Amino acid sequence: SQQGEEDPQALSIQEGENATMNCSYKTSINNLQWYRQNSGRGLVHLILIRSNEREKHSGRLRVTLDTSKKSSSLLITASRAADTASYFCATGYGYARFGAGTRLTVKP
Amino acid sequence: DTGVSQNPRHKITKRGQNVTFRCDPISEHNRLYWYRQTLGQGPEFLTYFQNEAQLEKSRLLSDRFSAERPKGSFSTLEIQRTEQGDSAMYLCASSLVLDLTDTQYFGPGTRLTVL
Repeated sequence: SQQGEEDPQALSIQEGENATMNCSYKTSINNLQWYRQNSGRGLVHLILIRSNEREKHSGRLRVTLDTSKKSSSLLITASRAADTASYFCATGYGYARFGAGTRLTVKP
Repeated sequence: DTGVSQNPRHKITKRGQNVTFRCDPISEHNRLYWYRQTLGQGPEFLTYFQNEAQLEKSRLLSDRFSAERPKGSFSTLEIQRTEQGDSAMYLCASSLVLDLTDTQYFGPGTRLTVL
């Protein structure tokens, strides 16, 4: 069954702007992961945040986790056209449970 | 390239035919996963292996689907008597389980079209 739910379903911004995507999940977790998928391609792992962490950074990516609200957010700063992709959060130990993703379009 | 590879990348078949896909994981990874993804949706879990043992199968995996991972290396996913509803992208991922983290690395997928 699907676990994470991303919000919004679609987001369109101009290059240079920041993009924020949210993820909500239902059960307790050990960690939460964010993936990117370019159209018709496989998924690329972006970042993992453990349940005892509240914030994590990787380059232009910032992820937050609020286990009390069962939610996470992914912030992409200074977006580029190459960031255009679908973004998924996933939870679970063993197999990953994905939401339907956020489709991000960054206009040049 | 030392990433996850999948073959073929595309498969077009007629309804009722059998198809088999192959996944070669990252060599030191002990877990291998199969997912199915339809347009506009996130990947849905099908099954996964730890070494050669199949640990879990989704209820989505009907009797027409079978997966193997002989010798704990590559894996095959076979679909018998394909149906149009089987048309999807089939994704393979592998991971090396450490502590309670399980970062999965995905292959490029096999796109199946059933006519």
